[in-house]
Amino acid sequence: DGGITQSPKYLFRKEGQNVTLSCEQNLNHDAMYWYRQDPGQGLRLIYYSQIVNDFQKGDIAEGYSVSREKKESFPLTVTSAQKNPTAFYLCASRGTGGSNIQYFGAGTRLSVL
Amino acid sequence: GQSLEQPSEVTAVEGAIVQINCTYQTSGFYGLSWYQQHDGGAPTFLSYNALDGLEETGRFSSFLSRSDSYGYLLLQELQMKDSASYFCAVNRDDKIIFGKGTRLHILP
Repeated sequence: DGGITQSPKYLFRKEGQNVTLSCEQNLNHDAMYWYRQDPGQGLRLIYYSQIVNDFQKGDIAEGYSVSREKKESFPLTVTSAQKNPTAFYLCASRGTGGSNIQYFGAGTRLSVL
Repeated sequence: GQSLEQPSEVTAVEGAIVQINCTYQTSGFYGLSWYQQHDGGAPTFLSYNALDGLEETGRFSSFLSRSDSYGYLLLQELQMKDSASYFCAVNRDDKIIFGKGTRLHILP
């Protein structure tokens, strides 16, 4: 089945630790996105990539980093510089030509130990 | 800048009709989308309006007025499973910008 796979579903981070959230898609989409969602809040854009080997900062990129070495993969690293990382992280992809629809993965819930 | 405004919560009765409004300010506007998100789940696409007017998909309809920078989502024959958060989102060429969402409570 085509879709977006995020792993792990739950992740715990220790103080001062970097953690990486995985996002893989087999929809052959060029564009991929990372959002952060806090309880009762909307989706805030962290980073996005419209093509392999290129990505742009979203509204809340500080404390996060990404890479886009393959079309299928867009991992997000939450660095130790992100002081309030506890949130629900959603990865999404979008078809070529400015498709109207964004498809989301099931999300990763990150908590701080 | 860019912003979307929608009510934080709406309450309606099972079987009734409810309308969720959205106003937006953005550059590079291509269209307005609506997404549904159940608690703990991922957002799923509901509808999209690129042009003024009403789009109907089953029990759900969405409306757009580009001149007023305004749209709404209309849900008819409400069912308990429609209890969720609903997000309007502005489609731009490079990205989709989401509102903060409207929590829909449905009373039996």
